[in-house]
Amino acid sequence: NAGVTQTPKFQVLKTGQSMTLQCAQDMNHNSMYWYRQDPGMGLRLIYYSASEGTTDKGEVPNGYNVSRLNKREFSLRLESAAPSQTSVYFCASNLNGETQYFGPGTRLLVL
Amino acid sequence: ILNVEQSPQSLHVQEGDSTNFTCSFPSSNFYALHWYRWETAKSPEALFVMTLNGDEKKKGRISATLNTKEGYSYLYIKGSQPEDSATYLCAPTKGGYQKVTFGTGTKLQVIP
Repeated sequence: NAGVTQTPKFQVLKTGQSMTLQCAQDMNHNSMYWYRQDPGMGLRLIYYSASEGTTDKGEVPNGYNVSRLNKREFSLRLESAAPSQTSVYFCASNLNGETQYFGPGTRLLVL
Repeated sequence: ILNVEQSPQSLHVQEGDSTNFTCSFPSSNFYALHWYRWETAKSPEALFVMTLNGDEKKKGRISATLNTKEGYSYLYIKGSQPEDSATYLCAPTKGGYQKVTFGTGTKLQVIP
């Protein structure tokens, strides 16, 4: 099992550009999450999907959209990137609220 | 959002010292408390999950306790080693509630 995978690993964007971060899990987990990591802030929840077909806002959803494409895949879209969105993004999944399993992260730099 | 507080924010200890830190959370509708270990440039990895008041879990030199009535958990590291250097995160979860948020973490540095 690959666990949780994320693409790309690293991306540089110019302000105003758009991009989609991809996440997939092969553990048959029903819940999936997107977090961002910023210095001194720990992990902050952007959006989550409790089950296929549902998505909900987390702590810092502004500037992002998500799609739960199917049970395996949960993507995060930045429609118009801003320098404040420079961060490391982690996707995670769990089964019924149990232990979170994290992807390797995507490092995003917005110039 | 579950209001999770972790203290201290950061900690420097000498190799061989024992240390502990705290996770505080609202005790209402509590379901489980998760501890994660997060090394620099890696992804967080699960350490423990505890559900019952008075639970105690142990993995090698690391152990954790849980008090659900007063809403806190302690993580203990006995005889700290440089490889214990990491950020330790806690995440309480509520019953029937899939929104998982984390405390800001305790960053531990063990000095050889």
